[in-house]
Amino acid sequence: EIVLTQSPGTLSLSPGERASLSCRASQSVVSSYLAWYQQKPGQTPRLLIYGTSARATGVPDRFSGSGSGTDFVLTISKLEPADSAVYYCQQSGNSPYTFGQGTKVEIK
Amino acid sequence: EAQLVESGGGVVQPGRSLRLSCAASGFRFDDYAMHWVRQAPGKGLEWVSGISWNSGNLGYADSVKGRFTISRDNAKNSLYLQMTSLSGEDTALYYCAKDRGGGGFYGMDVWGQGTTVTVSS
Repeated sequence: EIVLTQSPGTLSLSPGERASLSCRASQSVVSSYLAWYQQKPGQTPRLLIYGTSARATGVPDRFSGSGSGTDFVLTISKLEPADSAVYYCQQSGNSPYTFGQGTKVEIK
Repeated sequence: EAQLVESGGGVVQPGRSLRLSCAASGFRFDDYAMHWVRQAPGKGLEWVSGISWNSGNLGYADSVKGRFTISRDNAKNSLYLQMTSLSGEDTALYYCAKDRGGGGFYGMDVWGQGTTVTVSS
């Protein structure tokens, strides 16, 4: 099983700042199979990024993904209050298709 | 608009079985892979199981392998999860989710609202 470790656990930043969320895999993940999701309190998850760097429909270009192999990053370029959420990475290249434990982004 | 509606959740005793259903609408169901994802109270997301468009590619989390069975009926636009030998660790909100792809798995772009399963005596 591929274990995805996300860091930091919690990120507390001010509006307008840049957030960098890390997702590290225990073994290499094919780039096509790495996705990021956003989950706001009381809401269902939302696909943000698929294939490591492609934005899903309707996702603002403030969100970007990068990485390869075992290290992947979700960047939110200019934080807005609405970005307050938990963000999860997930790999779907090797079953079981595991999620990371999540990074909570708090807006000060 | 693509929509997924789960049903079948409830309170069940340990060791018993339950079958979840997911009704899909607004997209061509038989073109896409589908998944079940769960979230225990206050916890993160856990992928449970996935199935390709033609049921030829199935996968399960280690925690449910041998106890849960995923299936789909493309004629009925429906996804199912048969759960057996349930324990308290299976207590969660169960989401049905549509994949972007058909034969492989490329990210889940449509999610239902979930159905709650509580395992308790």
